[in-house]
Amino acid sequence: QKEVEQDPGPLSVPEGAIVSLNCTYSNSAFQYFMWYRQYSRKGPELLMYTYSSGNKEDGRFTAQVDKSSKYISLFIRDSQPSDSATYLCAMSNSNYQLIWGAGTKLIIKP
Amino acid sequence: GAGVSQSPSNKVTEKGKDVELRCDPISGHTALYWYRQRLGQGLEFLIYFQGNSAPDKSGLPSDRFSAERTGESVSTLTIQRTQQEDSAVYLCASSRTAGQPQHFGDGTRLSIL
Repeated sequence: QKEVEQDPGPLSVPEGAIVSLNCTYSNSAFQYFMWYRQYSRKGPELLMYTYSSGNKEDGRFTAQVDKSSKYISLFIRDSQPSDSATYLCAMSNSNYQLIWGAGTKLIIKP
Repeated sequence: GAGVSQSPSNKVTEKGKDVELRCDPISGHTALYWYRQRLGQGLEFLIYFQGNSAPDKSGLPSDRFSAERTGESVSTLTIQRTQQEDSAVYLCASSRTAGQPQHFGDGTRLSIL
């Protein structure tokens, strides 16, 4: 079993929909949780950075961490075609070594 | 430049050859990381440098892989006697210090024939 599980998709939704992306993990020691966006042939770009449990909002993006369920989510409101990318979750129990999900490919249809 | 720069962007080489990949971190960033990303998979940690401290090499998959960094500047990742399973995208990231968000370059796409 992988430490971090993420559905590879693809997830296809119409423009304007609310998107929900999720990861589950097995290591209860993880304290730092991140979401990255990766466009084709580009490096990952940090979207959200959360320490411990709770919610964090930034514009159209909301990150949630439920440590009791070992489950994290990223919500995208009013999705746009430019949001089409692969979304990677990453987490850590130290301050630098990240464990990554495989990424979910998201397609926003105009 | 403003971001992390990696070169070359693409590299095709024959099995058994050595390759050297370069990473220029963001100026002032003391922490530098190398990752490997195979097609359809998440990032695999390879090595971490923090300032002048001894690097964390725990992710290097074999002794064919090595990396160097001089101070807080450029890093090179070297793969000796390349094998077909080394084909992947090699990503470099830097951060102001350990624990700060990591900023990535666009990677080197390595193909071993």
